[in-house]
Amino acid sequence: NAGVMQNPRHLVRRRGQEARLRCSPMKGHSHVYWYRQLPEEGLKFMVYLQKENIIDESGMPKERFSAEFPKEGPSILRIQQVVRGDSAAYFCASSPPGTGYSYEQYFGPGTRLTVT
Amino acid sequence: AQSVTQLDSQVPVFEEAPVELRCNYSSSVSVYLFWYVQYPNQGLQLLLKYLSGSTLVKGINGFEAEFNKSQTSFHLRKPSVHISDTAEYFCAVITGYSSASKIIFGSGTRLSIRP
Repeated sequence: NAGVMQNPRHLVRRRGQEARLRCSPMKGHSHVYWYRQLPEEGLKFMVYLQKENIIDESGMPKERFSAEFPKEGPSILRIQQVVRGDSAAYFCASSPPGTGYSYEQYFGPGTRLTVT
Repeated sequence: AQSVTQLDSQVPVFEEAPVELRCNYSSSVSVYLFWYVQYPNQGLQLLLKYLSGSTLVKGINGFEAEFNKSQTSFHLRKPSVHISDTAEYFCAVITGYSSASKIIFGSGTRLSIRP
């Protein structure tokens, strides 16, 4: 039973390039969350998606960032025209669908983005 | 607005000594509280959670936490730490009533164990 998978684990981009981060949720999970962790800080919520729907993007920067979770395939967090301030660890989490209040989110190992 | 405060950014402890990591939250509605552990270069792992019921919650690796509503605290404790407990610990809260909500994390407490 594979956990949440993220790739790549490490990504280096030059300023102005695009970064694409992928997240495959746990089997059977239909909720995906993206968080960003800046150095020496806690995780900050970015976006919450269900299949083909963005439910809550209140933590996403207004420009250059976008996320999707298509019907087939992984969730993608896309950062266009990266800047040095985008350097961080990006974590994906997933949770199962349906009723109940377990509120438990399972985290992937993260993608560490370095912008040079 | 809800928030989570971890007062100690770093806690050094000798091996086999007890430890308490402090967490306070602010929220005007019911909360669900969590502690996560992050080992170096890894993702977060759930240690324990409080949803309802008994205020003393037991988690993995010998950790436990107590929900104190009057003090709005959820401190994490372990009676005897091991070198392998060296990690960063995050307190987190979810408020709201939907089946899935965003987690608000504290800034983390780095636990370092001295032999």
